[in-house]
Amino acid sequence: DAMVIQNPRYQVTQFGKPVTLSCSQTLNHNVMYWYQQKSSQAPKLLFHYYDKDFNNEADTPDNFQSRRPNTSFCFLDIRSPGLGDAAMYLCATSRGQGLGYTFGSGTRLTVV
Amino acid sequence: KQEVTQIPAALSVPEGENLVLNCSFTDSAIYNLQWFRQDPGKGLTSLLLIQSSQREQTSGRLNASLDKSSGRSTLYIAASQPGDSATYLCAVSNNNDMRFGAGTRLTVKP
Repeated sequence: DAMVIQNPRYQVTQFGKPVTLSCSQTLNHNVMYWYQQKSSQAPKLLFHYYDKDFNNEADTPDNFQSRRPNTSFCFLDIRSPGLGDAAMYLCATSRGQGLGYTFGSGTRLTVV
Repeated sequence: KQEVTQIPAALSVPEGENLVLNCSFTDSAIYNLQWFRQDPGKGLTSLLLIQSSQREQTSGRLNASLDKSSGRSTLYIAASQPGDSATYLCAVSNNNDMRFGAGTRLTVKP
């Protein structure tokens, strides 16, 4: 089945230690998104790629970076995780404007 | 900037009841509206997608309506079941991003 896969499902990292979350898709969608969701809150868009074009939200901290080496993969890098970065990180894909989104199962990040 | 609001924040109903979840948004220039289901600690599962030119979509016991001019959508769940217990999120799409409401946490009691 075509899908969006996030690895790992659960990630524990130390305060200040760089961590990378992974997302892959078999849908061949043009657009890939990263959302942060804290407990009982709405998912918050961090950034998205339209093909190779990177679009950062104005309020996304510099601590968060992303890479998209090819159509299928997109990575979220957190350079120096703080306790406030503990959250569920959701990856989504879309074929483009006006078309629905498909989400992965998420990665729950714990910072110790 | 698009703001999405969902009311109520939480809802508890007995099994078998029909119910309505509400979603409102501030910018009516949307491409589409999508309803998602989220189980605790899990990702988002798409339930229904309504394009801006459509008024409603149906899937099984679920019916979603869209009134773009008033900035409102409703999700109707018929004959609710305990397995429907989850958080339901509404999201609207403008350009290349999607903005979410905070969700309605639904509990269906046996």
